[in-house]
Amino acid sequence: SAVISQKPSRDICQRGTSLTIQCQVDSQVTMMFWYRQQPGQSLTLIATANQGSEATYESGFVIDKFPISRPNLTFSTLTVSNMSPEDSSIYLCSVDERRRYNEQFFGPGTRLTVL
Amino acid sequence: GIQVEQSPPDLILQEGANSTLRCNFSDSVNNLQWFHQNPWGQLINLFYIPSGTKQNGRLSATTVATERYSLLYISSSQTTDSGVYFCAATYTGTASKLTFGTGTRLQVTL
Repeated sequence: SAVISQKPSRDICQRGTSLTIQCQVDSQVTMMFWYRQQPGQSLTLIATANQGSEATYESGFVIDKFPISRPNLTFSTLTVSNMSPEDSSIYLCSVDERRRYNEQFFGPGTRLTVL
Repeated sequence: GIQVEQSPPDLILQEGANSTLRCNFSDSVNNLQWFHQNPWGQLINLFYIPSGTKQNGRLSATTVATERYSLLYISSSQTTDSGVYFCAATYTGTASKLTFGTGTRLQVTL
């Protein structure tokens, strides 16, 4: 399966600031996804990021708050903008491995705390 | 919207015990996956199982797509099995987007 890394692994940020999370894959993939997991909760899809097109956001998530870049087939970034304590979550990227019947694999996550 | 529900929400087992976790989904699925989230937050792939039965060591899973449920069996549980177990599904027309269940938090004690 693909090997996925994320940076940073964790961070503590002040409210009103922004943080950019990087997701790197060791092979080319068409579809990458960003998820949020709030404390004690399940995972919720933020957006789908395809190379060469604008990200597709799920209901309740907007580009101004969570801008996403996908410059190539192995890399994506998610920015959490103008943060508030409610943004404290684990943010995970995943990839869809079509050669493995669309099974999804996840990066290790970025644990964000906003003070 | 599409619903994925898991039961039980919490489970405490003594080491060596067996358990069954259930996942119910509200519509026909293209993909059904089981994950284990360890205490550090890492999601570990357990099974890709849109239908049928699979086994991997002490773990096995069965999905009955026509009845819209999946079961994860853990035998001879160990403390390292502790964590949260999620099932997640993709549905026709949702382009590989996973909808996660509510999770089962498992604690295995000595």
